[in-house]
Amino acid sequence: DADVTQTPRNRITKTGKRIMLECSQTKGHDRMYWYRQDPGLGLRLIYYSFDVKDINKGEISDGYSVSRQAQAKFSLSLESAIPNQTALYFCATSDPWTGGTDTQYFGPGTRLTVL
Amino acid sequence: SQELEQSPQSLIVQEGKNLTINCTSSKTLYGLYWYKQKYGEGLIFLMMLQKGGEEKSHEKITAKLDEKKQQSSLHITASQPSHAGIYLCGALNAGGTSYGKLTFGQGTILTVHP
Repeated sequence: DADVTQTPRNRITKTGKRIMLECSQTKGHDRMYWYRQDPGLGLRLIYYSFDVKDINKGEISDGYSVSRQAQAKFSLSLESAIPNQTALYFCATSDPWTGGTDTQYFGPGTRLTVL
Repeated sequence: SQELEQSPQSLIVQEGKNLTINCTSSKTLYGLYWYKQKYGEGLIFLMMLQKGGEEKSHEKITAKLDEKKQQSSLHITASQPSHAGIYLCGALNAGGTSYGKLTFGQGTILTVHP
């Protein structure tokens, strides 16, 4: 089984709808992240959480919110989806205490299309 | 904030050829990660470099960190179709409000023709 899973893998929705993307991990990592990927722009950080009680905005948090329900679960919500939120969304986890490298491990991604 | 520039943006090579992808940072590199992504799929961690002059290899892929030049290079020897994909570099932000976060380059698309 994959260490970092994302659901759904694909989603098509309409402008104005509320959408939730979910991420679960079995790696036991404290740190979790949400990114979006757009062609030619690499990955941009939306939100990150260094532990269950810690939530921080990334560089492009407007229009998004998150919830860290448990160490293993980190959800991303689009309260009112708009077309320019069409992108590939990735969840990642990391652990700075093992190996000292804080390497981030990524889920398979969710392709979101907002019509 | 730190910015990463990857070059080239895309690369087409014949199977068996060697190739190099560069990642240049606007600030000092404290940690540099290389990932590979198959189109539309998740990122696979390749390797991480922390010290100036450090070099790591995995199978036919070698990465080096030139701290003075604020640059890292990824070299693939005798490329194969399985090497095709998008290669992304990510730099660890070391200070201020960005501490502990990664900044990514825009990616290099590699195509390997059989």
